Amino acid sequence: SQQGEEDPQALSIQEGENATMNCSYKTSINNLQWYRQNSGRGLVHLILIRSNEREKHSGRLRVTLDTSKKSSSLLITASRAADTASYFCATDEGAGGTSYGKLTFGQGTILTVHP
Amino acid sequence: NAGVTQTPKFQVLKTGQSMTLQCAQDMNHEYMSWYRQDPGMGLRLIHYSVGAGITDQGEVPNGYNVSRSTTEDFPLRLLSAAPSQTSVYFCASSRGDYNEQFFGPGTRLTVL
Repeated sequence: SQQGEEDPQALSIQEGENATMNCSYKTSINNLQWYRQNSGRGLVHLILIRSNEREKHSGRLRVTLDTSKKSSSLLITASRAADTASYFCATDEGAGGTSYGKLTFGQGTILTVHP
Repeated sequence: NAGVTQTPKFQVLKTGQSMTLQCAQDMNHEYMSWYRQDPGMGLRLIHYSVGAGITDQGEVPNGYNVSRSTTEDFPLRLLSAAPSQTSVYFCASSRGDYNEQFFGPGTRLTVL
């Protein structure tokens, strides 16, 4: 079964606007990761946030993690047409400080950014 | 570095045929995984490995076998293909210890 549930399933915005995607999960995690997938391509890692972190930034990306609510959000600021892609959250249930490379993915959010 | 490579890119099989999807990485990563992605769904883990000689089952292992004889290679074997195995298959590798996974370009498999 899918660990992560993502919301919304699809998001359509104009260039320059911000895009927010949410992810909820069910069990305790070691870390949570966000990936991007362009149509017909493999996944590309965007950002990883550890269970003891609350917020992380990378360029135009901002990720938050609330372990008490078992939820995370990905914010893309000042979106561009090139940001059009599917975005997936993935949870790592590895023990302690070790990831076992065993990720559980959500169903993804399809983001469309109109020029 | 080539990263994670997968062959073939496309494959059509008939029900009951067997085949091996190849995956190789040149980053000396210990951890490797196989996922399948079906339309409208996220990736589901088939099998994974934390090092040469060590493999374990993921969420959807039935109908698939893996082995890991070297750090670089992690082939996925379909024993007797079924239409339900029509999917896009992705291989990934990572160093472990919080590190991100690097994905291959995928193999699109159709079973008739």
